[in-house]
Amino acid sequence: KAGVTQTPRYLIKTRGQQVTLSCSPISGHRSVSWYQQTPGQGLQFLFEYFSETQRNKGNFPGRFSGRQFSNSRSEMNVSTLELGDSALYLCASSEDRVGGYTFGSGTRLTVV
Amino acid sequence: AQKITQTQPGMFVQEKEAVTLDCTYDTSDPSYGLFWYKQPSSGEMIFLIYQGSYDQQNATEGRYSLNFQKARKSANLVISASQLGDSAMYFCAMREHSGGSNYKLTFGKGTLLTVNP
Repeated sequence: KAGVTQTPRYLIKTRGQQVTLSCSPISGHRSVSWYQQTPGQGLQFLFEYFSETQRNKGNFPGRFSGRQFSNSRSEMNVSTLELGDSALYLCASSEDRVGGYTFGSGTRLTVV
Repeated sequence: AQKITQTQPGMFVQEKEAVTLDCTYDTSDPSYGLFWYKQPSSGEMIFLIYQGSYDQQNATEGRYSLNFQKARKSANLVISASQLGDSAMYFCAMREHSGGSNYKLTFGKGTLLTVNP
């Protein structure tokens, strides 16, 4: 069974640009969650999608958005990038609302 | 207030010895789940062990066991017979209701474990 796939692994962007990250969950998993990890703030919950609907959202500005497609693949978008957005972005897939969470290897975003 | 507290920023252990990583949590949700993840320097989060709030017995997975003390709200990870490959960051996480029937996973700050030869 293939794991959770996140692309790209590394990204370097300039302040003010926008970026899109992708996450393909484990086959059959309908829930995808996104997390931001920074040295200062640790792991913080961004949002969760289930069957193409956002059902949970963390405390992040509207510049952070996401969506989920009918095949459960999810994308996360950050607009008007700021230096503080530099982080490791992790996505996790889950089979259902109470299942375990399997994480991808993450996308390391650097904003310069 | 922090939901998940890991009081040990760093821990050292000799190879082949056992080590306990501490985790305390705070929730008013009667139905919650506790997870431990390992994060090597590569960045991936590796699931280690899970304990449900209604589970009567402590969870075990190979060399990993979870010392669950519900009344004290603690869920310590015990790694037996440490190996050099166990050197990594370890995160305790809790899944609880976040409104309606939705759930959210909240992480602690982590403990950096170093296994010495």
